[in-house]
Amino acid sequence: NAGVMQNPRHLVRRRGQEARLRCSPMKGHSHVYWYRQLPEEGLKFMVYLQKENIIDESGMPKERFSAEFPKEGPSILRIQQVVRGDSAAYFCASSPLSGGQGTGELFFGEGSRLTVL
Amino acid sequence: DQQVKQNSPSLSVQEGRISILNCDYTNSMFDYFLWYKKYPAEGPTFLISISSIKDKNEDGRFTVFLNKSAKHLSLHIVPSQPGDSAVYFCAAERSGATNKLIFGTGTLLAVQP
Repeated sequence: NAGVMQNPRHLVRRRGQEARLRCSPMKGHSHVYWYRQLPEEGLKFMVYLQKENIIDESGMPKERFSAEFPKEGPSILRIQQVVRGDSAAYFCASSPLSGGQGTGELFFGEGSRLTVL
Repeated sequence: DQQVKQNSPSLSVQEGRISILNCDYTNSMFDYFLWYKKYPAEGPTFLISISSIKDKNEDGRFTVFLNKSAKHLSLHIVPSQPGDSAVYFCAAERSGATNKLIFGTGTLLAVQP
């Protein structure tokens, strides 16, 4: 029973390039979350998606960042025209349940570490 | 606006002793609290949780206490083991908030053999 799979584990980009991070949720999970951890900080919520729908993107920067979770395939977090401040660990998590049901438990992947030169 | 705060960035404890990790929150609308454990270069893993209608939840060596009036929770690990050395994140969720967790900044626990 594979866990949440993220790739790439490490990604190096130069300023102005695009970064694409992929996340395959656990089998049977239809809810995907992206979190970002900046150096020396906690995890910050970015976006919550279900298949083909963005449910909550209140934590996403207004520009350059986008996320999708297509009917087939992994969820993608896309960062256009990366800047040095985008360097961080990006964690994907999945859940079999939607919020408000009292579990709150998310299953996290190992993260994708983006370094912008 | 840091709604969940872990004021101790690090804690060092001797093996066999009790580890107490603390967490404070500001939003009284939170109704579910969780602790996650994170090893370097890995994702956080769920450890234990507590509903706001309870004041204590125990799972083996791990116990979480909730003091709603003080908006404070703590994680107790007894006895502490070297394998417990990790970063511990406190997180909170508000009912109906789509499972969006608000995390603290973490406390690095080092258990000395």
